[in-house]
Amino acid sequence: EVQLVESGGGLVQPGGSLRLSCSASGFTSSRYAIFWVRQAPGKGLEYVSGTTDNGGSTYYADSVKGRFTISRDYSKNTLYLQMSSLRAEDTAVYYCVKVTMTRGYQPFWYFDLWGRGTLVTVSS
Amino acid sequence: QSVLTQPSSVSGAPGQRVTISCTGSNSNIGAGFDVHWYQQHPGAAPKVLIYANNNLPSGVPDRFSGSRSGTSASLAITGLQAEDEADYYCQSYDSTLSGSWVFGGGTKLTVL
Repeated sequence: EVQLVESGGGLVQPGGSLRLSCSASGFTSSRYAIFWVRQAPGKGLEYVSGTTDNGGSTYYADSVKGRFTISRDYSKNTLYLQMSSLRAEDTAVYYCVKVTMTRGYQPFWYFDLWGRGTLVTVSS
Repeated sequence: QSVLTQPSSVSGAPGQRVTISCTGSNSNIGAGFDVHWYQQHPGAAPKVLIYANNNLPSGVPDRFSGSRSGTSASLAITGLQAEDEADYYCQSYDSTLSGSWVFGGGTKLTVL
C-alpha cells in the first residue's frame, strides 16, 4: 500500500525542540518532493516546509524559517522535520505530503498523497 | 487572513448542485498558477479532489468539477450526497516575496 506515516509528535514546552519523522512505503520516495503541511486545531491548512526529490532545494514558510529544518535519509526512505524554538502557535497536526508536478516548477506542484498526521502541542 | 478567500460555509439538499468559490489575486490564481482542491472529512487527512484546475484523480466521482477564470476558481458538486459533507480547501502558489504554496481558509459543506 502506498502511504506516508508520520511520527514524533507530542507535548513540548515553549522554546523546546521536537523532530518529526515521515516514513514512506509502497513507493520510492526519493523520486518525489515531499512537504509538511500543518493544521492548527479547528483551523485551515498551512504549508510549512518542503524538499525536492534530491534534497537540493528546500522551502520554508516565513512563519517557521530559521526555526525548522527539513531533511531526508534516503537509506531509510524517511523525511524529517527538526523543529526548534517552538511557540504556542506551532501547535497543530503536522501532515507529511507527497508532491506531484503537473509541470516542472513550483507553481504547478500539488499534494497528492497525505499521511494521517501527528499532533504537536506546544504548551507549558 | 488567508491569501485565497473561500466562503466559510455552504449548504445544499441531496441531489442539488453547490459551488464553492476561491478568490485570489494577480500574484497567485491571476498569474496563471494552477488551483487544486482538497476534501477533508472530520478527523481524517485531506485528500486531493481536483488537481490542475479541472482534473479528477482516479476514483473521484465526476460529480465533482473545477474551473478557473481570472483571479478566481470554483469547485462544483452536482447530485449532492450525504457523504459529500466535509471541509473543502483550494490551494495555489503565490509569487510574492520568496514564493509560497497557499491555501484558502476552507469551506464547510453541509448536506441538509
